[in-house]
Amino acid sequence: QQPVQSPQAVILREGEDAVINCSSSKALYSVHWYRQKHGEAPVFLMILLKGGEQKGHDKISASFNEKKQQSSLYLTASQLSYSGTYFCGTVDQTGANNLFFGTGTRLTVIP
Amino acid sequence: NAGVTQTPKFQVLKTGQSMTLQCAQDMNHEYMSWYRQDPGMGLRLIHYSVGAGITDQGEVPNGYNVSRSTTEDFPLRLLSAAPSQTSVYFCASSYSSSGGAQETQYFGPGTRLLVL
Repeated sequence: QQPVQSPQAVILREGEDAVINCSSSKALYSVHWYRQKHGEAPVFLMILLKGGEQKGHDKISASFNEKKQQSSLYLTASQLSYSGTYFCGTVDQTGANNLFFGTGTRLTVIP
Repeated sequence: NAGVTQTPKFQVLKTGQSMTLQCAQDMNHEYMSWYRQDPGMGLRLIHYSVGAGITDQGEVPNGYNVSRSTTEDFPLRLLSAAPSQTSVYFCASSYSSSGGAQETQYFGPGTRLLVL
C-alpha cells in the first residue's frame, strides 16, 4: 500500500525547478506532502483531497490526478532552504484511517 | 503550546529488554499515531488511536503495544526489544478522529532507539 515516489534523489542549482511524483496502486482519498530535514521531524507542506480541495503553503504547488492515482509536487525557483527529503503520504478510499508514506525523494539545492 | 513532545530523545537497549516511548500533545488532538523510520523505507505506521480508549494496528504492529488512557498521551511499548527494532520513532497527532489520517499531521521530534 506504500506509494511509489520518483525520482529517489535530485540535485538542483538555486533558481531551478523540480517535480516530484507520487503514485499509488489504490484509489485515493487524499495525498499529503511533507518535507524532512536531516535529523528533524517531517513538516507538513500540503494536502490534496479527492474533489479538488487543497490545503497548504502558498509557495508550494501540487496536483492530484484522481483517475491516475498520482500526485506531483512542483518546486519552482528553488532556494537553498528547499533542501531535504520530501515524502508523499496517501490515504485510500477503503475508509481505513491510515496514512501510508512513500520512501522519499532527497532534494539537494546547491548555490 | 509545546505541540507534540517525545521522550527520551535517544535510548540504547539490549536484546530482550522492554521499554516505553512516551508521546504527549497539548493541542487536544483526537488522532495520534506512531511511525518508525528506517533508511530507505520511509515512515511506516505502527499503531494509531482515534481517541481515548481506542487504538488500532497500522502497517507494522508486531512487537509493539499501545494504549490511550487520556487524550494527551499515547505511549508505545516495546515488549522484548530486538535489533530489528533499531529505528527512529516518530509520534504524530492531528485534530479530528473521524478524519485523523486525512488531516495535517504534527510530528514530534523523534526518539532514536538502538537495540544491541
